[in-house]
Amino acid sequence: GESVGLHLPTLSVQEGDNSIINCAYSNSASDYFIWYKQESGKGPQFIIDIRSNMDKRQGQRVTVLLNKTVKHLSLQIAATQPGDSAVYFCAEIDTGGFKTIFGAGTRLFVKA
Amino acid sequence: GAVVSQHPSRVICKSGTSVKIECRSLDFQATTMFWYRQFPKQSLMLMATSNEGSKATYEQGVEKDKFLINHASLTLSTLTVTSAHPEDSSFYICSARAFLGNTIYFGEGSWLTVV
Repeated sequence: GESVGLHLPTLSVQEGDNSIINCAYSNSASDYFIWYKQESGKGPQFIIDIRSNMDKRQGQRVTVLLNKTVKHLSLQIAATQPGDSAVYFCAEIDTGGFKTIFGAGTRLFVKA
Repeated sequence: GAVVSQHPSRVICKSGTSVKIECRSLDFQATTMFWYRQFPKQSLMLMATSNEGSKATYEQGVEKDKFLINHASLTLSTLTVTSAHPEDSSFYICSARAFLGNTIYFGEGSWLTVV
């Protein structure tokens, strides 16, 4: 596999605060990126995506920023809620074959 | 919305036996399906890409004779773990790309425990 997994880094935030989760991707040729949320024992859930011709995209309470120069993605969650507690993965997709390669992931804990 | 179903969701098998996991696209045709393995507290590792009607493409380091993938129809791909060992115990997840679409849908995963 192309994504080497280590123990997940953890981000702990207070309920109501904003969260920023960062991700570095590996392939400068990747042209499509997705953030996924994974709850314990479940498959990944789509949160938001962004194409390489954009540097920012907003959804409901979430914003994704893309910096192609340094191959960096971030996910911002506004007014974080306890239900946001999960592991978050960025993924880079090769739109030629649609192979999805996942980043290492970050565990988000939301303190009530 | 589109749904990808995996079966079984949990399976326990004895060492040395084989176990098959199914991945079905329920309301769309999937030209391509992907299989991932996830160990606890780790990321999803792509194992192979499965194209309907052709041989699967395996990622480097994944044994194709151990993890047999069959994509016999546009709605079904199967992963068979042959001669399973305890170290094969993991969470296996599939995803499917809709024919004529750019969206990828994930299944809910299958827990395999080899005892």
